[in-house]
Amino acid sequence: DIVMTQSPDSLAVSLGERATITCKSSQSVLYSSNNKNYLAWYQQKSGQPPKLLIYWASTRESGVPDRFSASGSGTDFTLTISSLQAEDVAVYYCQQYYSNPPWTFGQGTKVEIK
Amino acid sequence: QVQLVESGGGLVKPGGSLRLSCSVSGFTFSDYYMSWIRQAPGKGLEWISYISSSSETINYADSVKGRFTISRDNAKNSLYLQMNSLRAEDTAVYYCARSQIVVRGVVTNWGQGTLVTVSS
Repeated sequence: DIVMTQSPDSLAVSLGERATITCKSSQSVLYSSNNKNYLAWYQQKSGQPPKLLIYWASTRESGVPDRFSASGSGTDFTLTISSLQAEDVAVYYCQQYYSNPPWTFGQGTKVEIK
Repeated sequence: QVQLVESGGGLVKPGGSLRLSCSVSGFTFSDYYMSWIRQAPGKGLEWISYISSSSETINYADSVKGRFTISRDNAKNSLYLQMNSLRAEDTAVYYCARSQIVVRGVVTNWGQGTLVTVSS
């Protein structure tokens, strides 16, 4: 199984400041035939199901604010919130869909306001 | 709009069984791959089972293989999860999840979840 490891487990950022979360996979999730990284990011607010933010490692889902961006390739990925808003307080998960299903998630990173 | 509504959760004793259902609306159910994803209290997400649009492909996480069975009824717009030989570690919120139609490993829609508690 591909193991996804996020860091940090939690972080506190001031309103308007940048928040950065990293995700590392135990093996590459880059598919060479199409040069796509099979990596998604989700946001889960307290008491709610997760919400898709990003797929193909950097493609924003429709309706996701552009303060959310993501990058990376192979085994190392980053989710950035450029200017943290109060409504961004949540747990963020990366997820690989490279292997055969069922796919795997990172352990989550909790983002709070400092 | 797209809706996924889970039901069937509850309290069950270790070794017992439970059947979860997910009723969907707002889209053509038979076009989409579906999954069950669970979340233990205060923990992260675990993708436990996946079924293709016509049920020809089914996968399970090792943690539930041989104990859980996923199925669907496209005529009834419903997804199911039969859970047998339940253990304390199966205690979780169980989410019904719809994959993106092209990128099947990406979940675009989630239900609100149903809580399963396994305890004596």
